[in-house]
Amino acid sequence: DTAVSQTPKYLVTQMGNDKSIKCEQNLGHDTMYWYKQDSKKFLKIMFSYNNKELIINETVPNRFSPKSPDKAHLNLHINSLELGDSAVYFCASSHTGTGLWEQYFGPGTRLTVT
Amino acid sequence: DAKTTQPNSMESNEEEPVHLPCNHSTISGTDYIHWYRQLPSQGPEYVIHGLTSNVNNRMASLAIAEDRKSSTLILHRATLRDAAVYYCILRDPNSGAGSYQLTFGKGTKLSVIP
Repeated sequence: DTAVSQTPKYLVTQMGNDKSIKCEQNLGHDTMYWYKQDSKKFLKIMFSYNNKELIINETVPNRFSPKSPDKAHLNLHINSLELGDSAVYFCASSHTGTGLWEQYFGPGTRLTVT
Repeated sequence: DAKTTQPNSMESNEEEPVHLPCNHSTISGTDYIHWYRQLPSQGPEYVIHGLTSNVNNRMASLAIAEDRKSSTLILHRATLRDAAVYYCILRDPNSGAGSYQLTFGKGTKLSVIP
């Protein structure tokens, strides 16, 4: 069983469209994250949710809206996609307390905006 | 955030030990040293973490200098599967919301030669 899964794995879309990326973890973790890795391979955190509550919201355009329907899911919705949104998006999860040390990452979603 | 400095790239022969250095001269007393790695086309993967004492786990060993201004990740026998980008990250578990996020630098790209 995959610990942290993301769908879709690849997403190709045109500028101006709205798209969503889904993330699910079956580890029983209470904290989930979205990271973005750009073309230069820099990994940067975007959002973090702890028990469905937003705790980290880095400087990300309002077009990006995370939604956490429950502790096992954290989805990322992107409105009005732009060329600069092309990147690999990674979801991750961890457990507060003992699990603060280790974040488990999903396989990534490669988003290409044309 | 305290910064880390790593070599851009390193090479190792297969089945040889690898020592990956990390400098963190501005580390605070409460910063833990974490190592993650990212294999090609995959999400980052936790490797090891420590505070002051050297640490060992099934993947690697972490040697921390006495003054904590540097550390070394040791892979005892490099395999082709260890070819990845290795990230040295500092994290303070007492920094509130900031303790949840991982701040990735450029990392060290390790190549393993058969």
